Amino acid sequence: AQSVAQPEDQVNVAEGNPLTVKCTYSVSGNPYLFWYVQYPNRGLQFLLKYITGDNLVKGSYGFEAEFNKSQTSFHLKKPSALVSDSALYFCAVRLGYNQGGKLIFGQGTELSVKP
Amino acid sequence: DGGITQSPKYLFRKEGQNVTLSCEQNLNHDAMYWYRQDPGQGLRLIYYSQIVNDFQKGDIAEGYSVSREKKESFPLTVTSAQKNPTAFYLCASSIGQGSGEQFFGPGTRLTVL
Repeated sequence: AQSVAQPEDQVNVAEGNPLTVKCTYSVSGNPYLFWYVQYPNRGLQFLLKYITGDNLVKGSYGFEAEFNKSQTSFHLKKPSALVSDSALYFCAVRLGYNQGGKLIFGQGTELSVKP
Repeated sequence: DGGITQSPKYLFRKEGQNVTLSCEQNLNHDAMYWYRQDPGQGLRLIYYSQIVNDFQKGDIAEGYSVSREKKESFPLTVTSAQKNPTAFYLCASSIGQGSGEQFFGPGTRLTVL
């Protein structure tokens, strides 16, 4: 079965420290991988995506993610966390067009950055 | 949220009533999607449409219905057959094919009284 897992429900980080939000996936073929962020009572905002090429992808607000095919992972990272980064983060994999281009989401990781 | 609007922002429904959630996009996207979000469960796909006048069931379509008569509009009806409709509903759209990301609306929070 195709799936996405975010093993941590919550990640706590001190402001200024590096942060990592973990994501692993299980899909057939080459994956299209995405990270989204959600602030309370809002829709999801796109952060970055991996389609092909360089395994390190840079996105919005200083975030980056590293694609690791052998470990089937796509962890989200930021070198220096801000309090304003506190939000709910979702990893997702996009299925092929013959499957509707659907996104399969992980369950989300709540990131809390303390001053 | 740009380019996709959802209304209303908050919706209250009595048991046994059908309600319709609006989703409109001005991005000229072919594909549109409806998701349901519950705490701790991520997003689950209800219905999706890759082209006008065509749509497919997602993973949790029971108790919901949709229509796609216009490219820019994809309304979702929550029927009385949906046993646990209280949730946050998100609409999204994408170019359709290929690797493009989905763009999300601001969501509608439905509460059954």
